[in-house]
Amino acid sequence: GENVEQHPSTLSVQEGDSAVIKCTYSDSASNYFPWYKQELGKRPQLIIDIRSNVGEKKDQRIAVTLNKTAKHFSLHITETQPEDSAVYFCAASSGGSNYKLTFGKGTLLTVNP
Amino acid sequence: GAVVSQHPSWVICKSGTSVKIECRSLDFQATTMFWYRQFPKQSLMLMATSNEGSKATYEQGVEKDKFLINHASLTLSTLTVTSAHPEDSSFYICSARDGSKTVEKLFFGSGTQLSVL
Repeated sequence: GENVEQHPSTLSVQEGDSAVIKCTYSDSASNYFPWYKQELGKRPQLIIDIRSNVGEKKDQRIAVTLNKTAKHFSLHITETQPEDSAVYFCAASSGGSNYKLTFGKGTLLTVNP
Repeated sequence: GAVVSQHPSWVICKSGTSVKIECRSLDFQATTMFWYRQFPKQSLMLMATSNEGSKATYEQGVEKDKFLINHASLTLSTLTVTSAHPEDSSFYICSARDGSKTVEKLFFGSGTQLSVL
């Protein structure tokens, strides 16, 4: 089955700096890669996603890049703000009728004012 | 975006009792729902995939007789933790996919914090 590795497990940055979280996946058939933000005790919220036919996608301060050959994808947050502090999960899906997602272990991002 | 409602948000029960958690898609039909378990500061671990009108598919290591899943309609899936024990205490969260669309986006419920005394 799919295996998703996520690094780092914790990340602390100063407000205004950029933050980068990286993930690798094992199943070359995976074709959908979402990123979720989860605040303590709350539901994961989809913040951005990318499909395997695209190398990069940007939405305001958030961007995701995908390298299919190397089987890794990254989340980039620019101009970080304290409200960006949360746990971020990457995930991968190999499609199929169920679109089952395999999640990384998460990155606790802390943005210091 | 699509809304997934999950109830209850928290429950405390005695050891040996059963607890039912409901997951509803409010504005779309969810042919597939997923149930996850999340321990503090850990990732979401998929427990089972629930398909409307058929038996759930459980992940390896998940006891299907302990975690009963019913997906009786296109908008409702339930997870029943039978004969709960303290080790079952965890955050349980469901997610659903809009069956009318080909996109893979999943929408999550708000989660249920289960504490077994």
